[in-house]
Amino acid sequence: QQQVKQSPQSLIVQKGGISIINCAYENTAFDYFPWYQQFPGKGPALLIAIRPDVSEKKEGRFTISFNKSAKQFSLHIMDSQPGDSATYFCAARKRHGANSKLTFGKGITLSVRP
Amino acid sequence: DTEVTQTPKHLVMGMTNKKSLKCEQHMGHRAMYWYKQKAKKPPELMFVYSYEKLSINESVPSRFSPECPNSSLLNLHLHALQPEDSALYLCASSPLVGSYNEQFFGPGTRLTVL
Repeated sequence: QQQVKQSPQSLIVQKGGISIINCAYENTAFDYFPWYQQFPGKGPALLIAIRPDVSEKKEGRFTISFNKSAKQFSLHIMDSQPGDSATYFCAARKRHGANSKLTFGKGITLSVRP
Repeated sequence: DTEVTQTPKHLVMGMTNKKSLKCEQHMGHRAMYWYKQKAKKPPELMFVYSYEKLSINESVPSRFSPECPNSSLLNLHLHALQPEDSALYLCASSPLVGSYNEQFFGPGTRLTVL
């Protein structure tokens, strides 16, 4: 059972365009939603994260939109650049509990064309 | 110092070899993690240490043996591995387990089992 579903599977965007990646979750106990960016041969790096008490969070060109009732959250990359080409993972985690661990989506490969 | 370091970067070993992966962080974090990542897949949690004690073992085969000698160091001892164990092994750390604690990932060790 996949608890965090990510779409699309891959995305190609022109330089300067907006990249949009969507995630849906099933477990209503999740209350921390980070996005990770991973370049080939590197470890994932936290891009931005959101808690369910806010509907949107923006950091530079990256924005997370969160819809608690729909159990969905999305990453928007404004003015996409070739350097943004990477794999993006959404994730979710329960705040409490000894077994609070990150549940990752399958990941999406973003290619930004010059 | 805000990074997690891992050594070696690459490791090739035979199925009868014994080797170890090393992870180090100097951020004062009290939670450390081992993940396994196959190509084009999300990281899979293997082990979690909290205050130098093993708190989560995700039913990992005994040929993988973790060790946390102190709060800054995490090892993964490998013995009698199989070719399907070839993957990128990621170490991560966070201030504590759960809550809104951000996980910082290292660059990983690329392991090839012949």
